[in-house]
Amino acid sequence: EPEVTQTPSHQVTQMGQEVILRCVPISNHLYFYWYRQILGQKVEFLVSFYNNEISEKSEIFDDQFSVERPDGSNFTLKIRSTKLEDSAMYFCASSESGGGAEYFGPGTRLLVL
Amino acid sequence: QKEVEQNSGPLSVPEGAIASLNCTYSDRGSQSFFWYRQYSGKSPELIMFIYSNGDKEDGRFTAQLNKASQYVSLLIRDSQPSDSATYLCAVPVSSGGSYIPTFGRGTSLIVHP
Repeated sequence: EPEVTQTPSHQVTQMGQEVILRCVPISNHLYFYWYRQILGQKVEFLVSFYNNEISEKSEIFDDQFSVERPDGSNFTLKIRSTKLEDSAMYFCASSESGGGAEYFGPGTRLLVL
Repeated sequence: QKEVEQNSGPLSVPEGAIASLNCTYSDRGSQSFFWYRQYSGKSPELIMFIYSNGDKEDGRFTAQLNKASQYVSLLIRDSQPSDSATYLCAVPVSSGGSYIPTFGRGTSLIVHP
């Protein structure tokens, strides 16, 4: 069964450093998403991406964040100048139609020290 | 701020019983509604989605939508210990002309043998 994959599974970084989280969406899906979940809190939408551009973004997704689809398979989230409060699980998701029904990857646990 | 609300629980039911999980939302313009299951330390897994008022059944799961009252519920029949997880309600909520996927905090379900 097709699935969304994410690398790395865990990332530890120092405050102020840049991290890149990688995702490979399901191959025939056209809509891609990044979410985060701080430990013990709810899943929060960051950004959605369609047709090589951002379609929606939340208030969380400020200039510190960027997304890119560098090739036909990968979808990346870059976090510049990481802060302690960026520590969270980051989930990539994809969907075929964009109306919801999203399939989540296993997540990358980011720890900022 | 438009919200998606869930009782955090835990909801404890005996094996074989019906578990009833509820979700209310504040955006009357929302048109699609999703239920995800999230095991501890894992990513959300899509269980069901519903667009129209009424019931939608899929195996042991039934989603119920009442747009007039702005609630959506998930019934799990013949609950099994393996159903023990957090159940997340997700609703696209309008924000500045776009729809932002918005998750509730989730209801923890415990099915005891």
